Order: sequence, then C-alpha cells, then structure tokens
Amino acid sequence: QQQVKQSPQSLIVQKGGISIINCAYENTAFDYFPWYQQFPGKGPALLIAIRPDVSEKKEGRFTISFNKSAKQFSLHIMDSQPGDSATYFCAAITQGGSEKLVFGKGTKLTVNP
Amino acid sequence: GAVVSQHPSRVICKSGTSVKIECRSLDFQATTMFWYRQFPKQSLMLMATSNEGSKATYEQGVEKDKFLINHASLTLSTLTVTSAHPEDSSFYICSARALAPDEQYFGPGTRLTVT
Repeated sequence: QQQVKQSPQSLIVQKGGISIINCAYENTAFDYFPWYQQFPGKGPALLIAIRPDVSEKKEGRFTISFNKSAKQFSLHIMDSQPGDSATYFCAAITQGGSEKLVFGKGTKLTVNP
Repeated sequence: GAVVSQHPSRVICKSGTSVKIECRSLDFQATTMFWYRQFPKQSLMLMATSNEGSKATYEQGVEKDKFLINHASLTLSTLTVTSAHPEDSSFYICSARALAPDEQYFGPGTRLTVT
C-alpha cells in the first residue's frame, strides 16, 4: 500500500514532442505528490508538485495532471528538449505524518534532437 | 531557493576503513534530514531519518552500527560508513526538510567507492 507505481521505465521522444510519465498510488493518506528530475551523478531536484485538492498544475512546460478518484497522477513535458533528458521520479508523502517520501522507480527520458 | 550541500562529492577508500559524509542545509534550518542510497539505474532507497538532537530512525534492513548518523545541529547531519566493504560502494544522497515551505531539498550526492 506504500508503493508508488511509475511507468514507463524508459521513454524516447523527439525534440518538440510531448513526454508523458504516469504514476499510481494506493495509500489515500498521501497528500502531496512531487516530481523530481535527476541528471546522472547528481541529486534529485524538485521539478513540480501537486496536492490532491487540484486536478492540474502547470509550471512552464511542465504540467501535473491529478486524478484523485483513480489515484493516478502524471507528468507532461510539453515541447520536450534534449536538455530535458534525465531520469524522472514521482513521489508521494503524507505531510505531517511519517514525512517519508515514497518514490516511484523512475523513468529515463531521452529526447532526441 | 533552498540549497543542500554534501561533502565530499566523491570518495575512494580502502576496505575496512571508515568514511564520513557531511550534509548541510546552507540557507535554512532543517529539523529533519534524510539519508538515501541509490544504486545504478534504481530509485532512491531511504536508509534513515535523523532529527536534530535525537537518535536517527533506521529503515528495516539498514545496519545502524554500520551507518552511523549524527544530526548535531539544525544545519548539519553526518553519515559515517564504518568498516566499509566493496558492497557499500554506492551513491549516497541526503535531503533536508524545510518548514516553510514544507519541502524536502536534496543534496548533490556523494559517490563512495570502496576498494
């Protein structure tokens, strides 16, 4: 019940295309859903995050879509660029609870020029 | 934005020696810090949660006597890998929890290689 399932494991997109990464969770106590971007040899960096009281959040080319009833959320990268090539992790946490982030297994995104 | 640093970024040590990794929150106070381990092409695995001034809480399967964690101040936590072995070679990442906003910020990671 603590798992966050992430798909696909890897994704190849052409420059200018849309990258879509999906995550699903079981624990309804999760109340905060961040996405992290990690480049090789670096630590994860917070990209964008959403709370379940909204269905969508957009920051620049990055959008999170959230479906509370389905317990699913997804990251959309519009106009994908080669510089977006990285590994993306979705996560979930119950803030004010255990404070432990539960991570998905990651998606390696490659954007071809 | 909130910045978390780690030192060293890379370390090579011989089997049987101990290695200390520092994690600092540079521009905010962190009552809680987390230590993760990441194997190649895998997700982050939480090792322990440390709260300032108290003992760390280790995840199941993590040897607390091997991975010593000290959270001496609101801006510094250290992870000491004692009697390191080649199987301890990994990428170690810390994160620090800021209160406002309530967010975890990750350090750049430390690559440990035990020969």
